[in-house]
Amino acid sequence: ETGVTQSPTHLIKTRGQQVTLRCSSQSGHNTVSWYQQALGQGPQFIFQYYREEENGRGNFPPRFSGLQFPNYSSELNVNALELDDSALYLCASRRGGAYNEQFFGPGTRLTVL
Amino acid sequence: SQQGEEDPQALSIQEGENATMNCSYKTSINNLQWYRQNSGRGLVHLILIRSNEREKHSGRLRVTLDTSKKSSSLLITASRAADTASYFCATDGGGSEKLVFGKGTKLTVNP
Repeated sequence: ETGVTQSPTHLIKTRGQQVTLRCSSQSGHNTVSWYQQALGQGPQFIFQYYREEENGRGNFPPRFSGLQFPNYSSELNVNALELDDSALYLCASRRGGAYNEQFFGPGTRLTVL
Repeated sequence: SQQGEEDPQALSIQEGENATMNCSYKTSINNLQWYRQNSGRGLVHLILIRSNEREKHSGRLRVTLDTSKKSSSLLITASRAADTASYFCATDGGGSEKLVFGKGTKLTVNP
């Protein structure tokens, strides 16, 4: 098991609602990334935070936003939920640098009805 | 968009056999990583191979990388039922901000 934890494990929301997902990074890791994984697909990069600043973003609309805190934990916020937002949301942490592995948490399964 | 393409999409073998999965990608990379995922749970990191490496071993895993062909392979030797999972390759696309995943290979190891 990695030291990356995520909460909650499962979540059910309705269209138009807002959701906040949380992630605690592995000790010593200052970089956190979020990914969305639809059923049967590989994970897709949402954004990355380094030292509390967003420093990379994938092809996701602005209603997907995030935060990183001084202890390097992170939140993913999604506003105005749509049915297609139903997915497994994965958080990954790593030390900075191009050759460092990313370690993933167990994910949060979001269902939008 | 997904850069990596794993091949085959699904693979079914008997316990004790070897399993080989392939991955192709499109852009230059710093490194390539392989992950395992059990039944829609989190991704487990298996191995990272740098762009200047050609082969790497970890236990029953052997990974090769051919940057001229933009391809990698993962070999699992002496497979076990517990190896049943989806396997993904992920590249960094030459930068360090994100990993780009393929759709994965679903491996079933029959006891």
